[in-house]
Amino acid sequence: NAGVTQTPKFRVLKTGQSMTLLCAQDMNHEYMYWYRQDPGMGLRLIHYSVGEGTTAKGEVPDGYNVSRLKKQNFLLGLESAAPSQTSVYFCASRRGIGPDTQYFGPGTRLTVL
Amino acid sequence: AQSVTQLGSHVSVSEGALVLLRCNYSSSVPPYLFWYVQYPNQGLQLLLKYTSAATLVKGINGFEAEFKKSETSFHLTKPSAHMSDAAEYFCAVSANFGNEKLTFGTGTRLTIIP
Repeated sequence: NAGVTQTPKFRVLKTGQSMTLLCAQDMNHEYMYWYRQDPGMGLRLIHYSVGEGTTAKGEVPDGYNVSRLKKQNFLLGLESAAPSQTSVYFCASRRGIGPDTQYFGPGTRLTVL
Repeated sequence: AQSVTQLGSHVSVSEGALVLLRCNYSSSVPPYLFWYVQYPNQGLQLLLKYTSAATLVKGINGFEAEFKKSETSFHLTKPSAHMSDAAEYFCAVSANFGNEKLTFGTGTRLTIIP
């Protein structure tokens, strides 16, 4: 049982390049989330999904797109990377809402030059 | 809407001293409250959560938190700090119904002084 995994762990992009971050969970969770973490700002929600085939915008969705074609995977895409997207990205999953625990992946450190 | 405020972005305590990390919440409905810990270069993991079953919640690694509705607080405490407690701690809130999202505070970095 690997929990939540993220690929890649590190990435350096040039401005304007595109990339996709992959999140996978093996806990059969319905809910999945993408956050970015920046110093002094805590975790900010980018996009989330409440089930296979669904996506919704979070607090800071601009410049990102997501897809949830399979229940276990949640992809985060950057179409044209900008230096402001330099951050650490975390994926999380949750069985249900309310008191259910949210489980986090190890993070992806992205630098955009 | 829900929100949390963590007072003090950095807290330093001596090894063996009391740890107190502050969290105040705002919620228009009864909340669920969480404390997460993040060790360097790792993801977040759950320390404890309040689900209205009991106001004093015990978590892992000797931490506990008390829900005080009158003060809208959910402060995290540990009687005796250990070097391994050095990490960043996040308070989070969600509504007790109909809300798929957690709202996180900005975090408190805990440093343990030998």
